[in-house]
Amino acid sequence: AQSVSQHNHHVILSEAASLELGCNYSYGGTVNLFWYVQYPGQHLQLLLKYFSGDPLVKGIKGFEAEFIKSKFSFNLRKPSVQWSDTAEYFCAVTPPGEGGSQGNLIFGKGTKLSVKP
Amino acid sequence: NAGVTQTPKFQVLKTGQSMTLQCAQDMNHNSMYWYRQDPGMGLRLIYYSASEGTTDKGEVPNGYNVSRLNKREFSLRLESAAPSQTSVYFCASSEGRGKGTEAFFGQGTRLTVV
Repeated sequence: AQSVSQHNHHVILSEAASLELGCNYSYGGTVNLFWYVQYPGQHLQLLLKYFSGDPLVKGIKGFEAEFIKSKFSFNLRKPSVQWSDTAEYFCAVTPPGEGGSQGNLIFGKGTKLSVKP
Repeated sequence: NAGVTQTPKFQVLKTGQSMTLQCAQDMNHNSMYWYRQDPGMGLRLIYYSASEGTTDKGEVPNGYNVSRLNKREFSLRLESAAPSQTSVYFCASSEGRGKGTEAFFGQGTRLTVV
């Protein structure tokens, strides 16, 4: 079945460490790619998105992601994490051209990030 | 801007009871969605409405019904609640196509079925 995979269930880092969260998808064709963040007790907020063009995408709060088409990957990175980045991170994909489902987000299972002060 | 508004925020139901979760968006979006979030499962699509007047099943539609009342409102109904429906429910909206597939989420409804 077509899906979105996030490799890490829980990542624990110290402040100032670098972060990379993996995301792979299995859809062929043109996809739209997203990373969302969910802070404890809150709703999902968009971190960044990729539709086309430069495969290195910069988002809010110093996050960036790189789309590698040949690897079907869209990994999230941040050079130096802060305690306030503690949250759950979701990779999501809108699959290509399925008529009315074109706007549907298919989510990975999420990665919890805990940053120790 | 309110964005996407869901009501209620919290609800406890007894098994077999029914209820409707309400969702409204003020962004003039064409598409609306209902997701459920369970620990370790990410968000799974229950139903969606690509445009006013249309609804379709998502990944986990069993036990739910939806109504796209107008362009702004999209409700989710549980006819006979079961403990397996204990979850956090999120409504979302988007333009729906092409570069408009970025979704905006409501604050969520935490539902417990006992």
